[in-house]
Amino acid sequence: QSVLTQPPSASGTPGQRVTISCSGSSSNIGSNTVNWYQHLPGTAPKLLIYSNNQRPSGVRDRFSGSKSGTSASLAISGLQSEDEADYYCAAWDDSMNGHYVFGTGTKVAVL
Amino acid sequence: EVELVESGGGLVQPGGSLRLSCAASGFTYSMYWMSWVRQAPGKGLEWVANIKKDGSAKYYIESVKGRFTISRDNAKNSLYLQMNNLRADDTALYYCARDHISDGIDRWGQGTLVTVSS
Repeated sequence: QSVLTQPPSASGTPGQRVTISCSGSSSNIGSNTVNWYQHLPGTAPKLLIYSNNQRPSGVRDRFSGSKSGTSASLAISGLQSEDEADYYCAAWDDSMNGHYVFGTGTKVAVL
Repeated sequence: EVELVESGGGLVQPGGSLRLSCAASGFTYSMYWMSWVRQAPGKGLEWVANIKKDGSAKYYIESVKGRFTISRDNAKNSLYLQMNNLRADDTALYYCARDHISDGIDRWGQGTLVTVSS
């Protein structure tokens, strides 16, 4: 059972901006950096954002991340059909001797 | 090009064992932490375990402690997951992944399917 809570779904029309929230606690987001992943069915997950707001090489600047306190968010601007996927936040959690935890996941639909 | 190729998945009865392997290439394997991440059918991603570059530190999700063991062989560029006393809720696609700890998991394999059923 994940300790990082995300909305189950989000949607928008092409060109719109969509924001996904991720709520955690002091032992994870509150004290560690947040990463975001994009997962399309049948493919390997892809690192989208690391260290709260950094984009790996090759990731479009339409994707941006932010963090405040024990919450984080991912924004997708200029929504495109290819963005339809599952998105997960994740962070190291210092409890129970330390472990990495993924969020509950958000399915983004492009209407 | 970075490549991670998992193997060893299959059908196993509850209480049984499996050993997953991951062959890494295209990068200096010994310089990276490595992780196993799984996804049960219809569920989200779940991190399982990771291991330090030299194997001196290992971390596990609570539900697999005492049953799963992560290990690596840097001479063979390989990562392993020994899974004992398997349960139905261990059924999942298991991914091998390159781990940057706080900077995320940046490379993933295609996964190997583990099914625990009688």
